[in-house]
Amino acid sequence: AQSVTQLDSHVSVSEGTPVLLRCNYSSSYSPSLFWYVQHPNKGLQLLLKYTSAATLVKGINGFEAEFKKSETSFHLTKPSAHMSDAAEYFCVVSESVIKAAGNKLTFGGGTRVLVKP
Amino acid sequence: DTAVSQTPKYLVTQMGNDKSIKCEQNLGHDTMYWYKQDSKKFLKIMFSYNNKELIINETVPNRFSPKSPDKAHLNLHINSLELGDSAVYFCASSQYTDTQYFGPGTRLTVL
Repeated sequence: AQSVTQLDSHVSVSEGTPVLLRCNYSSSYSPSLFWYVQHPNKGLQLLLKYTSAATLVKGINGFEAEFKKSETSFHLTKPSAHMSDAAEYFCVVSESVIKAAGNKLTFGGGTRVLVKP
Repeated sequence: DTAVSQTPKYLVTQMGNDKSIKCEQNLGHDTMYWYKQDSKKFLKIMFSYNNKELIINETVPNRFSPKSPDKAHLNLHINSLELGDSAVYFCASSQYTDTQYFGPGTRLTVL
């Protein structure tokens, strides 16, 4: 069974400083990994995804994540935080289901990012 | 333009009532999903349909029944609503095992 652990439930940063959101996963085979963002009272938006092509994945809004198989990690970073980055971030692992007809997402517990002016 | 839409956005109802939430996607995807987000923001999959066929059915009470009239629609019907059903319900769609795209969510409050 797959699982995801987000190591920080809250992260507070100052505007213009780097952001690091930590994620460790457990999966029985090569996983697909995602980061989604949820702004207050909004739906989930895809930030980026890893599907075994390149280990460093670039996403939207200046975010990127690095897949490290040896550490079973998929940490999300951004060099310079913006006020609009204040949101809840979810690390997600995916596994295919029967007949590859769909995929089952397992979510981490989320990390709330607060950006101070 | 909306890719995955849900109605209603907010739903407030009394315990014991029956209610439905509707989901539609215009992405041409073959697979649709329902997720539940609890008060602590934890998200968990409930159901998934591929071309009107049930492919994921997690441990969900029988009071929850998904219905897919066609591959662009996946509705969620809930019987005999309980306080613990209060949550945000998200619909999503994907083209088979590709990336899932989420709707805006339906906030259900059971009084």
